[in-house]
Amino acid sequence: EVQLVESGGGLVQPGGSLRLSCAASGFTFSSYWMHWVRQVPGQGLLWISRIDSDGSSTTYADSVKGRFTISRDNSKNTLYLQMNSLRAEDTALYYCTRAVSGAFDNWGQGTLVTVSS
Amino acid sequence: DIVMTQTPLSSPVTLGQPASISCRSSQSLVHNDGNTYLSWLQQRPGQPPRLLIYKISNRFSGVPDRFSGSGAGSDFTLKISRVEAEDVGIYYCMQATEFPRTFGQGTKVEIK
Repeated sequence: EVQLVESGGGLVQPGGSLRLSCAASGFTFSSYWMHWVRQVPGQGLLWISRIDSDGSSTTYADSVKGRFTISRDNSKNTLYLQMNSLRAEDTALYYCTRAVSGAFDNWGQGTLVTVSS
Repeated sequence: DIVMTQTPLSSPVTLGQPASISCRSSQSLVHNDGNTYLSWLQQRPGQPPRLLIYKISNRFSGVPDRFSGSGAGSDFTLKISRVEAEDVGIYYCMQATEFPRTFGQGTKVEIK
């Protein structure tokens, strides 16, 4: 069974940093592109970033470019999102998701990031 | 960025009756490889999104056959043939033809 489990969320002050992790199991992690998507509670979905299967290529939404860094450790079956210079508008539930044929076929339960003083 | 526009934003439906959601993209979603990367996701209250349909009309594993997708180019539709109580939630279309990936605003399906 495919499982994605996010962790690392919490309360952080504006300008602070957090690193999110997504532990993957039940599939060959190193074979799949992975993405981060966020959702402000009660609002819609916003794509944040993606990384290809070996970590050699990454893409970011304009809203996080230069502040967030996606990475992966295929030996640990783990996806990461390093978030720096956090802003109040980054407050959201952050999901990791696996991509297959362009679709996001499995999602974690999400980890909540709150940016507030 | 490709803008995804869903209608309606809210759809009250009687149990056992059909429901239909439209999704239009601001440009064609046909990729250079010939595929159209349009998918549909369901988000039940308090749950993460769940994939229903990929590449316009392919039902994902375990998705009931009352869900169907259709369309081409920039005009797509998700249909639920007979709405059941467990179908309550928000439905999103999403394009994966270009970066950034973009989602529709969501359509709330509720029971009348």
